[in-house]
Amino acid sequence: EPEVTQTPSHQVTQMGQEVILRCVPISNHLYFYWYRQILGQKVEFLVSFYNNEISEKSEIFDDQFSVERPDGSNFTLKIRSTKLEDSAMYFCASRARDRGSSYNSPLHFGNGTRLTVT
Amino acid sequence: GEDVEQSLFLSVREGDSSVINCTYTDSSSTYLYWYKQEPGAGLQLLTYIFSNMDMKQDQRLTVLLNKKDKHLSLRIADTQTGDSAIYFCAGVKAAGNKLTFGGGTRVLVKP
Repeated sequence: EPEVTQTPSHQVTQMGQEVILRCVPISNHLYFYWYRQILGQKVEFLVSFYNNEISEKSEIFDDQFSVERPDGSNFTLKIRSTKLEDSAMYFCASRARDRGSSYNSPLHFGNGTRLTVT
Repeated sequence: GEDVEQSLFLSVREGDSSVINCTYTDSSSTYLYWYKQEPGAGLQLLTYIFSNMDMKQDQRLTVLLNKKDKHLSLRIADTQTGDSAIYFCAGVKAAGNKLTFGGGTRVLVKP
């Protein structure tokens, strides 16, 4: 079964450094997402991306964050200057085109990248 | 905005049924999902239900939806040790893109 893959599985970085988290969504999917889960807290929405642009973003997704789909397969999340509070598990997700107006195809998640900012 | 709540912990004996409960606040949620997270792993889609359904069964999994009470449950029949994980419910509106997750229920299956 096709799956969303994320690399690296664990990233350690120093405060103030830039990090890029990488994702390869399922190949025929059109909608892409980043979520994060701070240890012991809820899974939170960061951003959704469709047709090469951001379709929605949360308050968490400030100017330090950016997303890009540099080619036909990768979807990246960049954090320009990491802060301690950015330490979390970051999940990429993708979903297929909705079938008709009433069907909302489910999100498929990757295994996540654990980001540790020291 | 949407708020989704779950109980924190459930302990069940192997072979028994597990019932994981979830409540949500936004009555316009059109799809409700259950995801499973094993230690160190990602969020695995288990099943989902459309808001015009009351029940959906998929092998050992039964989802019940009570729209009036905004209550969703996941029943796992014949629970196995491999079912030990954190289970998240999540809701989405038809017009929106983002899922709103509950805090997760940690299920521990005892032999």
